[in-house]
Amino acid sequence: GEDVEQSLFLSVREGDSSVINCTYTDSSSTYLYWYKQEPGAGLQLLTYIFSNMDMKQDQRLTVLLNKKDKHLSLRIADTQTGDSAIYFCASYGWWNQGGKLIFGQGTELSVKP
Amino acid sequence: DAMVIQNPRYQVTQFGKPVTLSCSQTLNHNVMYWYQQKSSQAPKLLFHYYDKDFNNEADTPDNFQSRRPNTSFCFLDIRSPGLGDAAMYLCATSRDIGGQETQYFGPGTRLLVL
Repeated sequence: GEDVEQSLFLSVREGDSSVINCTYTDSSSTYLYWYKQEPGAGLQLLTYIFSNMDMKQDQRLTVLLNKKDKHLSLRIADTQTGDSAIYFCASYGWWNQGGKLIFGQGTELSVKP
Repeated sequence: DAMVIQNPRYQVTQFGKPVTLSCSQTLNHNVMYWYQQKSSQAPKLLFHYYDKDFNNEADTPDNFQSRRPNTSFCFLDIRSPGLGDAAMYLCATSRDIGGQETQYFGPGTRLLVL
C-alpha cells in the first residue's frame, strides 16, 4: 500500500542549513506537502510542491523533488532555535477510496545554539 | 482571523464512556476531516465530510462516528473508548477535494482514556 517514510531525528547547530528527507511509494502522488508541528500543537502548512516541478523556493525554505526516485527534501537555510519542531512530509494521491493525504512519521528537528 | 477551532484541547474520559470531540471552522470550507495521531506516529485519516456526504476510511473502527450538523461544525464521537484510543485528534478543513486544496489544521484535542 501507500507509504511515506522519513528519518526520525535531525540535529543541527543554529545558523547551519537543515535538510529533511522523505521518500514515498506511489507514483500517482500529485502534490507533496511539508507540515510543521510544534509541541502540543496542530499541523502548520509550510510549503508544497506539485509533482511536475523539481524545485520550489519560499524564503528560507527550498523543496527539491526527484520524481524518478520518489524522493522529496526540505532544506531550511540559516536554521534558528525557533525551527525546532517535528516536520511531516505528506503525499496526496488518489488511492482506492479516493484522494487523501498520507503522512510520514515525522522528523524531529533539534536546533542547538 | 479565519481558523479551525477544536474544543476541548484536552479531554479525559473513562474506559468505555462515550466521548465527543468538537471542531468548528470559520473558513466556510466544504470539506472537514478527522485524523488520529498516536504518540510519535503519523496522523492517520479516520473520515471526512464533503458537505453532508460522509466518507469513512476502510480501516476506521466502528467505534468512531462523526456528525456534521452544518457547514461550520463537525463532531467526532467515540462510542466506547478503549485505552488504545488515547491519541491526539486533529480536525482539518479544505475548500474542496484534491491535492491542490490545502488542508488547514486545528490545534488538536489530546484524549486520555483512564
